Amino acid sequence: EDKVVQSPLSLVVHEGDTVTLNCSYEVTNFRSLLWYKQEKKAPTFLFMLTSSGIEKKSGRLSSILDKKELSSILNITATQTGDSAIYLCAVFSGGSNYKLTFGKGTLLTVNP
Amino acid sequence: DVKVTQSSRYLVKRTGEKVFLECVQDMDHENMFWYRQDPGLGLRLIYFSYDVKMKEKGDIPEGYSVSREKKERFSLILESASTNQTSMYLCASSSTGTGGETQYFGPGTRLLVL
Repeated sequence: EDKVVQSPLSLVVHEGDTVTLNCSYEVTNFRSLLWYKQEKKAPTFLFMLTSSGIEKKSGRLSSILDKKELSSILNITATQTGDSAIYLCAVFSGGSNYKLTFGKGTLLTVNP
Repeated sequence: DVKVTQSSRYLVKRTGEKVFLECVQDMDHENMFWYRQDPGLGLRLIYFSYDVKMKEKGDIPEGYSVSREKKERFSLILESASTNQTSMYLCASSSTGTGGETQYFGPGTRLLVL
């Protein structure tokens, strides 16, 4: 059974701090790893990673995949209160049904 | 932009009632998914569909059924609602082929069963 574990489960920081969120996985036939941000409602897509060592970046957010360690990190620099959200990691292990296996998420709270 | 809409943002039902949650996507996606999200448990897949009239059970299908009569619409049905089905329900869709693993989510329906 495919498994995705995120850590920490929750995190409280102050504005301006840098945070690192972790995602590790055990899946058969890994194809890609996705990060989502969920505020009050729908998860919104952040990144998809398929290749080890290549950083994806969007503003203050960046993510990298390590296939040897079966893990990924999501970094957020100079955090703002608007970064407060649940960050979800999901893994796609191929197959014609396009199912994703999600981790339980990391709840990030950024205090002013 | 992909748009996924859900029929209700909030819903309150009584135990034993039949409940319909509807999801519509406007991007001609083949795949559609229903999840429930509970604190400490994350997103759990209830059912998914990869084509009209096709459906497959996810990880927690008990107590639910689905219907996909048209490509753009995927309905989740609670035949006889129970209090343990109080949850946030999220619908998602995705295409097939390259990039198909990226799922696009609706705003969610928060269901309370009394």
